[in-house]
Amino acid sequence: NAGVTQTPKFRVLKTGQSMTLLCAQDMNHEYMYWYRQDPGMGLRLIHYSVGEGTTAKGEVPDGYNVSRLKKQNFLLGLESAAPSQTSVYFCASRDRGTARSGNTIYFGEGSWLTVV
Amino acid sequence: EDQVTQSPEALRLQEGESSSLNCSYTVSGLRGLFWYRQDPGKGPEFLFTLYSAGEEKEKERLKATLIKKESFLHITAPKPEDSATYLCAVQAGGQNFVFGPGTRLSVLP
Repeated sequence: NAGVTQTPKFRVLKTGQSMTLLCAQDMNHEYMYWYRQDPGMGLRLIHYSVGEGTTAKGEVPDGYNVSRLKKQNFLLGLESAAPSQTSVYFCASRDRGTARSGNTIYFGEGSWLTVV
Repeated sequence: EDQVTQSPEALRLQEGESSSLNCSYTVSGLRGLFWYRQDPGKGPEFLFTLYSAGEEKEKERLKATLIKKESFLHITAPKPEDSATYLCAVQAGGQNFVFGPGTRLSVLP
């Protein structure tokens, strides 16, 4: 049971380059998320999706784009990387859930991105 | 503004020395409070979900309690393998999950 899988795990980019982070989940979850984690700031939501073909902005969406063409995949794109985007990126997913269950978010192992 | 704070920022314990970590939040309409463990270089690993004041959950040496506007994660007789960063998060509604900065726990043998 793989859960949430992210690729690549490590990447170094030059300022202005573009790249895509791939996320796949095998739990048939409806909701998927991309977070970034920076020292002392906790996890911050970049974009999320509530179902196949839908995306929405989170707390820190600028400089990123996402797509959810298939239910199991959620892609995060950086069109023109900037040093401020150096961070650890986590993909996550959860089931639709009810008021008292199914709300738990499950995370991938992370992708370390350095922009020089 | 929805906010989650955790204290202490870092905690060093001797093996067997029990202690508690604190999570406080300011969100209204809590739909769930979550505890995660995060090891260096890894993603957060789910530990507990709490939904209402007075609720408690246990797993091995960990016990999570939810009180109005705060939660405690008590670690009984910790071992070195309990060393990790412990994250608290709350769901206020919809997709609004707010994470705290974490408490970095070190358990010395």
